[in-house]
Amino acid sequence: NAGVTQTPKFQVLKTGQSMTLQCAQDMNHNSMYWYRQDPGMGLRLIYYSASEGTTDKGEVPNGYNVSRLNKREFSLRLESAAPSQTSVYFCASSHRDRVDGANVLTFGAGSRLTVL
Amino acid sequence: GQQVMQIPQYQHVQEGEDFTTYCNSSTTLSNIQWYKQRPGGHPVFLIQLVKSGEVKKQKRLTFQFGEAKKNSSLHITATQTTDVGTYFCAGPRRMDSSYKLIFGSGTRLLVRP
Repeated sequence: NAGVTQTPKFQVLKTGQSMTLQCAQDMNHNSMYWYRQDPGMGLRLIYYSASEGTTDKGEVPNGYNVSRLNKREFSLRLESAAPSQTSVYFCASSHRDRVDGANVLTFGAGSRLTVL
Repeated sequence: GQQVMQIPQYQHVQEGEDFTTYCNSSTTLSNIQWYKQRPGGHPVFLIQLVKSGEVKKQKRLTFQFGEAKKNSSLHITATQTTDVGTYFCAGPRRMDSSYKLIFGSGTRLLVRP
């Protein structure tokens, strides 16, 4: 099992360029997430998808779009990158525990994005 | 909006000393989770607490959930260099939601050998 796989691991963009971060999980999880991590800010939720075909905004969705292509894949798109989007991006997936209803997140290795 | 705050932001200890990080939520939580992120790595799930006043142990790590379910703590006894990393607490965004986890800002632990 690969778990959660993210690509690319590193990317440098110029302001205004677009790009898509790819994420795939092989654990048959229903829910998938995109977080960004900035120094001193912890992990902030950008978008999440509770199941295939559904997406919802998190804490910091502005400047991003997502696509839940199928149960395995959840992509994050930056249409017009800005320096404020320089960050480390983590994709995660989870399955809801039937006993206590809680989700445990499994994270990918991260994608480090720099916008010049 | 709902906030999850952690203190301290950094802690630098001598190997063998104890370490504690505290997590406080502005709202009551249905559960709280703790994650560890090694330098350059990704967050890894450690434990989940659900019940008011719950205490769980994992070897040298002790986790507590407050009686009011608004705060939690992680205590490490006799730290080792392998404990280095950032520790995050995380709680659901709303009492009835288990899907949107809000993370604290984390406590970075450095251990001097």
